[in-house]
Amino acid sequence: DAMVIQNPRYQVTQFGKPVTLSCSQTLNHNVMYWYQQKSSQAPKLLFHYYDKDFNNEADTPDNFQSRRPNTSFCFLDIRSPGLGDAAMYLCATSPIGSYEQYFGPGTRLTVT
Amino acid sequence: AQSVTQPDIHITVSEGASLELRCNYSYGATPYLFWYVQSPGQGLQLLLKYFSGDTLVQGIKGFEAEFKRSQSSFNLRKPSVHWSDAAEYFCAVNDNAGNNRKLIWGLGTSLAVNP
Repeated sequence: DAMVIQNPRYQVTQFGKPVTLSCSQTLNHNVMYWYQQKSSQAPKLLFHYYDKDFNNEADTPDNFQSRRPNTSFCFLDIRSPGLGDAAMYLCATSPIGSYEQYFGPGTRLTVT
Repeated sequence: AQSVTQPDIHITVSEGASLELRCNYSYGATPYLFWYVQSPGQGLQLLLKYFSGDTLVQGIKGFEAEFKRSQSSFNLRKPSVHWSDAAEYFCAVNDNAGNNRKLIWGLGTSLAVNP
């Protein structure tokens, strides 16, 4: 089945130690999103790619970076994680011209 | 500015009872509306969507939603709730402020189901 895959599902990192989360998709969608979701909150968009065109949200901290080497893969890099960055990170995809988003299972990030 | 309001933060229903989750939006034109469900520790799954046409939309898992333009609402309904429906439910509308690729999310409604 076509899907959005996120690895790892659970990630523990130390305060200030860089971490990378990955997302891959077999849907061949052109648009990919990264969201941060804290407990009992709505997802918060960090950035998205429209093909290779990177779109950063105005309030996304500089500590968060992203790479999209090809259509199938997208990475979220947190350069110096703080305790406040502990959250669920969700990847989503969308085909061009549509508005619905298809989500992966998420990566739960813990910062110690 | 566009917004989505889910007035009920938490709802508890008994298994087998009917369910209605409320969603109100503010949008300048015809919106594209979505309901997503999120089980604990999981990603979000699209339940149903409204783009145009019939205002009563059928979705997966026995859910339906009705678009009412006059009330700016898109309420989610299910005639008989199952214990497995316990989850967080999010309503969303597309952001037409120059970028239709983004969604504006409600804060969610947490559904608990009593046996």
